[in-house]
Amino acid sequence: DIQMTQSPSSLSASVGDRVTITCRASQSTANYLNWFQQKPGKAPKLLIYAASSLQSGVPSRFSGSGSGTDFTLTISSLQPEDFATYYCQQSYTIPYTFGQGTKLEIK
Amino acid sequence: QLQLQESGPGLVKPSETLSLTCTVSGGSISSSSYYWGWIRQPPGKGLEWIGYIYYSGTTYYNPSLKSRVTISVDTSTNQFSLKLNSVTAADTAVYFCARGDYGNGWYYMDVWGNGTTVTVSS
Repeated sequence: DIQMTQSPSSLSASVGDRVTITCRASQSTANYLNWFQQKPGKAPKLLIYAASSLQSGVPSRFSGSGSGTDFTLTISSLQPEDFATYYCQQSYTIPYTFGQGTKLEIK
Repeated sequence: QLQLQESGPGLVKPSETLSLTCTVSGGSISSSSYYWGWIRQPPGKGLEWIGYIYYSGTTYYNPSLKSRVTISVDTSTNQFSLKLNSVTAADTAVYFCARGDYGNGWYYMDVWGNGTTVTVSS
């Protein structure tokens, strides 16, 4: 299985901050890398697919980059509704594994 | 718009079979370029991919669960189902169904159900 490791596991930030979350794969996933946002008690929401493609309806302050084994999710200016847990997921090879999550909290 | 809704028992006894159904509305489960999957999340933990099925019936499972899991599709009712046998407390989780899109060559789950909590306990 491809292991996905996110850093940091938790992060405190303020509204308006620029935030970057990193996801590293144990082997190359090409650009088959997705990012999800999950709020408590809710289903995950797709933000980014193919490493850098913004899902329809997702605000442009979210962006993704990277290829191979190293990927990043950037939120350019945090809004109150962005405080949530973020997961990366590789869809290059089965099983489609997720990172352990990064919890973004209000400072 | 497309909606998915999980249904099934919220409590299952150890060693028995967990059975869930996902009902798809607002679109056809037989659409090409899509697959239909299950993901679970134990309490307070991260997400685990269980497997998925194409409308043709072709399935792909997580090897860690493969010996216990079956995913099936019923195009006549626009539903797909999950069966997980010989359950233990470790199978207690919120179970999500989701649509996967691969039409542009990339694989990603873009529409999710709300999730249903399944507890394994006697």
